[in-house]
Amino acid sequence: GESVGLHLPTLSVQEGDNSIINCAYSNSASDYFIWYKQESGKGPQFIIDIRSNMDKRQGQRVTVLLNKTVKHLSLQIAATQPGDSAVYFCAENGYNFNKFYFGSGTKLNVKP
Amino acid sequence: NAGVMQNPRHLVRRRGQEARLRCSPMKGHSHVYWYRQLPEEGLKFMVYLQKENIIDESGMPKERFSAEFPKEGPSILRIQQVVRGDSAAYFCASSPQGHGELFFGEGSRLTVL
Repeated sequence: GESVGLHLPTLSVQEGDNSIINCAYSNSASDYFIWYKQESGKGPQFIIDIRSNMDKRQGQRVTVLLNKTVKHLSLQIAATQPGDSAVYFCAENGYNFNKFYFGSGTKLNVKP
Repeated sequence: NAGVMQNPRHLVRRRGQEARLRCSPMKGHSHVYWYRQLPEEGLKFMVYLQKENIIDESGMPKERFSAEFPKEGPSILRIQQVVRGDSAAYFCASSPQGHGELFFGEGSRLTVL
């Protein structure tokens, strides 16, 4: 199967600091990537996506960077807030564009 | 515009019983996906359906698990003769097309005693 892995299982940051969550993917055929946020007891929520023809995409307080050479994704959250505390997953569409493969997730703890 | 609706949110079954999980996709979405999540793990793809068709069931266990998405009504994930290892959160997602962003429901949490 496909492999989407994360470098850091848990990340603790101080409120107001910037957070960086990393993700490695294995399938060079993947052309679409999504970051999801999952709060405890809830379903994943879309944060931001990026296609393989882009290196960077910005949203509100979030930026996704894609490095296709080393098959690496990162999610940057500016001025992290307590409400950002959650588990973050990256997902790639792999070789089959009809389904997504998820990493194991990174838990972000924001300390007040 | 309601999101993806799943029910029940919590389901308790004894070993050997059947579990039925329902998913109503977002309005206008004809593509449904089921994922399974164990505690502290990521989501694992199970099955992808369109109305009346199973498109990809490569993530479904060969026995006891089945899924459908009838012309009318919600998609159903059915687990027969449940075992303790089936205890997990089952998430449904939908999309308007067979690619692009998936919209997830809040999940159904199955506990097998």
